[in-house]
Amino acid sequence: GAGVSQSPSNKVTEKGKDVELRCDPISGHTALYWYRQRLGQGLEFLIYFQGNSAPDKSGLPSDRFSAERTGESVSTLTIQRTQQEDSAVYLCASSPHGVVGYTFGSGTRLTVV
Amino acid sequence: GESVGLHLPTLSVQEGDNSIINCAYSNSASDYFIWYKQESGKGPQFIIDIRSNMDKRQGQRVTVLLNKTVKHLSLQIAATQPGDSAVYFCAENRAGTGFQKLVFGTGTRLLVSP
Repeated sequence: GAGVSQSPSNKVTEKGKDVELRCDPISGHTALYWYRQRLGQGLEFLIYFQGNSAPDKSGLPSDRFSAERTGESVSTLTIQRTQQEDSAVYLCASSPHGVVGYTFGSGTRLTVV
Repeated sequence: GESVGLHLPTLSVQEGDNSIINCAYSNSASDYFIWYKQESGKGPQFIIDIRSNMDKRQGQRVTVLLNKTVKHLSLQIAATQPGDSAVYFCAENRAGTGFQKLVFGTGTRLLVSP
């Protein structure tokens, strides 16, 4: 597609439930990033995928968070046993290999009640 | 710890004024800086970037200044318009991290009054 597509745009879930967020990067972009943005705050790095290399998971806040990406296509971010502090906007970005500037999606606003 | 931060959380200006948004960084090894604009309900959008071997770069109505001596970055917006109202983030690429990993500041909200 023309841009980075994320779904759903909004998600309300009950505490303790699992959620899955989806990111569809720009075609041909080998790098894919997930960031978390809490209300009124900056972007917090979560995970980075580059092609078929092992992902950098150093930003994942707990073992309840995981992400997958098959090749250079869609990525899913899964949060298990959601907690209220997981409420945030989850942003996905992609970039071509060797290019630092990202293109962001519009994010998924997750609300845990 | 090392961080990228901003001096002012909110900046209010009148339409037509020039705006200056500031950012301090602490990692002298960072080699690349980007300013992003984030409008309500949208993802951050690239505005302008600058490499560490430069001290100034100009775009359309925007200028980024880099002062490596004091580790300071600024974004200047000329003739600010209501459509410029948004949150602005600076981000740095920390060289040597093994990949292109941007570290973002907290953000400054720019409010433009007509």
